[in-house]
Amino acid sequence: AQSVTQLDSQVPVFEEAPVELRCNYSSSVSVYLFWYVQYPNQGLQLLLKYLSGSTLVESINGFEAEFNKSQTSFHLRKPSVHISDTAEYFCAVSAYSGGYQKVTFGTGTKLQVIP
Amino acid sequence: NAGVTQTPKFQVLKTGQSMTLQCAQDMNHEYMSWYRQDPGMGLRLIHYSVGAGITDQGEVPNGYNVSRSTTEDFPLRLLSAAPSQTSVYFCASSPQGRGQGGYGYTFGSGTRLTVV
Repeated sequence: AQSVTQLDSQVPVFEEAPVELRCNYSSSVSVYLFWYVQYPNQGLQLLLKYLSGSTLVESINGFEAEFNKSQTSFHLRKPSVHISDTAEYFCAVSAYSGGYQKVTFGTGTKLQVIP
Repeated sequence: NAGVTQTPKFQVLKTGQSMTLQCAQDMNHEYMSWYRQDPGMGLRLIHYSVGAGITDQGEVPNGYNVSRSTTEDFPLRLLSAAPSQTSVYFCASSPQGRGQGGYGYTFGSGTRLTVV
């Protein structure tokens, strides 16, 4: 079985300040890791993913996440947030189980950017 | 390219009524799934399909039925609506079939269902 923990349900941060959204996972097999973003009244959109290779992955809008196998973490960071980053962010883990890739989502972290 | 299309966007049902939430994708994805999203609980998998004619239960399947007669469509049926089924429902698809992974999901815009 696999699980995902997002410890922070809400993270308020001032505009242009840095932010880190935490994600920890557990799995007995190797995993793929994802971050999704959900803007108000919309579906989830894939933000970035880690499959293999470099442990640091980046998105096109300035977010980055680092895969840390020893700490089983995949924290999302941005050095300077904008008002438009206000959204809910979901971490997800995908692991091979029963013949296909099973995906488990975290409970989400609401990022509130304060002007 | 429409992606994943869900209809309706909003629906109010009375307890005991039945209805079908529609989901269609035009990306020739093998994998399709239904999630419900409730505050503080993240996304919970209801049912999924790894190809036409193949469906299976997820984490919270009770009270819901699915079928997959074509690659494009994956409707979700509520058999007898209950207030506990008040939620936002998302359909998601992925190129992954059996044994494949790493693609991520494409989500629809959701159906907000209220059962009174």
